[in-house]
Amino acid sequence: AQSVTQLGSHVSVSEGALVLLRCNYSSSVPPYLFWYVQYPNQGLQLLLKYTTGATLVKGINGFEAEFKKSETSFHLTKPSAHMSDAAEYFCAVSWGGYQKVTFGTGTKLQVIP
Amino acid sequence: DAGVTQSPTHLIKTRGQQVTLRCSPKSGHDTVSWYQQALGQGPQFIFQYYEEEERQRGNFPDRFSGHQFPNYSSELNVNALLLGDSALYLCASSLGQGRSPLHFGNGTRLTVT
Repeated sequence: AQSVTQLGSHVSVSEGALVLLRCNYSSSVPPYLFWYVQYPNQGLQLLLKYTTGATLVKGINGFEAEFKKSETSFHLTKPSAHMSDAAEYFCAVSWGGYQKVTFGTGTKLQVIP
Repeated sequence: DAGVTQSPTHLIKTRGQQVTLRCSPKSGHDTVSWYQQALGQGPQFIFQYYEEEERQRGNFPDRFSGHQFPNYSSELNVNALLLGDSALYLCASSLGQGRSPLHFGNGTRLTVT
């Protein structure tokens, strides 16, 4: 079955430090890949997506992710964490366009002042 | 430009009852997908509606049903509620059954007692 795995349900970083959230998917067939962010009591907001082309994808709020086919990974990074980045982040994949998106279990990011 | 709107925001039901949740898609979108997000989990795909028909379905029992109206709005119905149906129900809209990324509403929090 197609699946996506996020390593670490909770990640804590200091304000100004590098943010690295890990995501791996199960298939050798390149999927569409997404990162979404969810703030408390809100829905999900798309941070960035990879479909085809350049493997380094830039998103909103200074986040970026790199698609590495050989590692079946799509890790999310941000050079310098802000307090406003504290939220839950979901990696997601789909095969065949944007339909039937499969989400990981999420990583809660805590930013320490 | 109105985004995805869902109603109600919160709902409390008793085991065995039936519930209807509503969703209006983002302006210009014609496809609606429903997701269930249990506490501490990622969203799970329930089904997708396009052109007033269910096009894809996830691993959910027949107690979960839906409808899409000519104006593209949608309803999610759950019959014979179980305690395990307590979750945040998210509606997401997109364009053309997979031609654009999902845009999510803020969800309906369903509590079954």
